[in-house]
Amino acid sequence: KAGVTQTPRYLIKTRGQQVTLSCSPISGHRSVSWYQQTPGQGLQFLFEYFSETQRNKGNFPGRFSGRQFSNSRSEMNVSTLELGDSALYLCASSLDPSGITDTQYFGPGTRLTVL
Amino acid sequence: GIQVEQSPPDLILQEGANSTLRCNFSDSVNNLQWFHQNPWGQLINLFYIPSGTKQNGRLSATTVATERYSLLYISSSQTTDSGVYFCAALGNTPLVFGKGTRLSVIA
Repeated sequence: KAGVTQTPRYLIKTRGQQVTLSCSPISGHRSVSWYQQTPGQGLQFLFEYFSETQRNKGNFPGRFSGRQFSNSRSEMNVSTLELGDSALYLCASSLDPSGITDTQYFGPGTRLTVL
Repeated sequence: GIQVEQSPPDLILQEGANSTLRCNFSDSVNNLQWFHQNPWGQLINLFYIPSGTKQNGRLSATTVATERYSLLYISSSQTTDSGVYFCAALGNTPLVFGKGTRLSVIA
């Protein structure tokens, strides 16, 4: 079974631009979560989607948004990029509908650099 | 929300040595996972262990939920074990990660 895939793997943008990242979960998984990893803040939860609905949201500004499609693929968008948005963005999928007790499987990440 | 603390923050080992990494969490959890992050950033699942003990080759993990801690044991360490080890806990809020233990295994 194929793992979680993320595209693109690397991205360079300039301040003020917007960016869209994509995540395809493991086949059959309906929950997709997004995380931001930076050297200063570590791994932080952005949001989680299940069956096309946002189920949980972390403490990030409204410039960060996401969505999930009927095939469970998810995208996240960051508008008006700031230098501090430079990070590794990780996507995870899981099987458990409750989103509580199941193993999270992570993709390889998208490394975003904002210049 | 849940607070997750890992210790030690850094660990240097000679190849073949054993080590124990610790994860303390501040509240009861429904989900406790250990991950290894490789040099390319990929988080690799090691254990899903909200309670009890599990073993996988040279790695084993124990979670004592009533005392709110989990331990990851690495025996006969190899240079390929180098990287950052994270534990992550999930209670009534989404997965919260510790800051990790950076392990360096020297040949």
